[in-house]
Amino acid sequence: ILNVEQSPQSLHVQEGDSTNFTCSFPSSNFYALHWYRWETAKSPEALFVMTLNGDEKKKGRISATLNTKEGYSYLYIKGSQPEDSATYLCAFNNDYKLSFGAGTTVTVRA
Amino acid sequence: DTEVTQTPKHLVMGMTNKKSLKCEQHMGHRAMYWYKQKAKKPPELMFVYSYEKLSINESVPSRFSPECPNSSLLNLHLHALQPEDSALYLCASSQGGDGYTFGSGTRLTVV
Repeated sequence: ILNVEQSPQSLHVQEGDSTNFTCSFPSSNFYALHWYRWETAKSPEALFVMTLNGDEKKKGRISATLNTKEGYSYLYIKGSQPEDSATYLCAFNNDYKLSFGAGTTVTVRA
Repeated sequence: DTEVTQTPKHLVMGMTNKKSLKCEQHMGHRAMYWYKQKAKKPPELMFVYSYEKLSINESVPSRFSPECPNSSLLNLHLHALQPEDSALYLCASSQGGDGYTFGSGTRLTVV
């Protein structure tokens, strides 16, 4: 079982504020790190697939960085909006399996 | 079609019942997966099918029986489940291990 940890478990942020949270994963046998955005009763939506150390990817107001040597990734949300409220999951991709963290649940208050 | 469709969305079954969960994709993905998620926990891999053959079984109890009748369809047959098997069951597909697409899940309650 691969240990993928996400911190914090949940957070509340005021509309317009920026926030970030972390995913830590094993630094050995790295293939890829996935980020998903998951709203209740919907399918997890793929945000990023990150493969290279030092990668930085951006999608609108959401961005992510990757450090494979120390085994962590940050997800940033700039200027949070109510529609950003969701659970954000990271998943370590190794040997054609995804091992998930438990997620960070973000609630944006208007 | 870029979706994975799971049916039913909700299922309540007794411990002596037999039921099936269904997952369908038409993206030509050759790998399909079943995950189980309990509340506040990470989704846990159960089974992987690659080119319609079972390639990974994560030591899942035999009361869960997967089936892949063709490249677009994945079933999970359920029999003699326990209340602790109540969970969200997620199906996913991928092509080459990247770019996983997930369904919205089946919420299963065993009574």
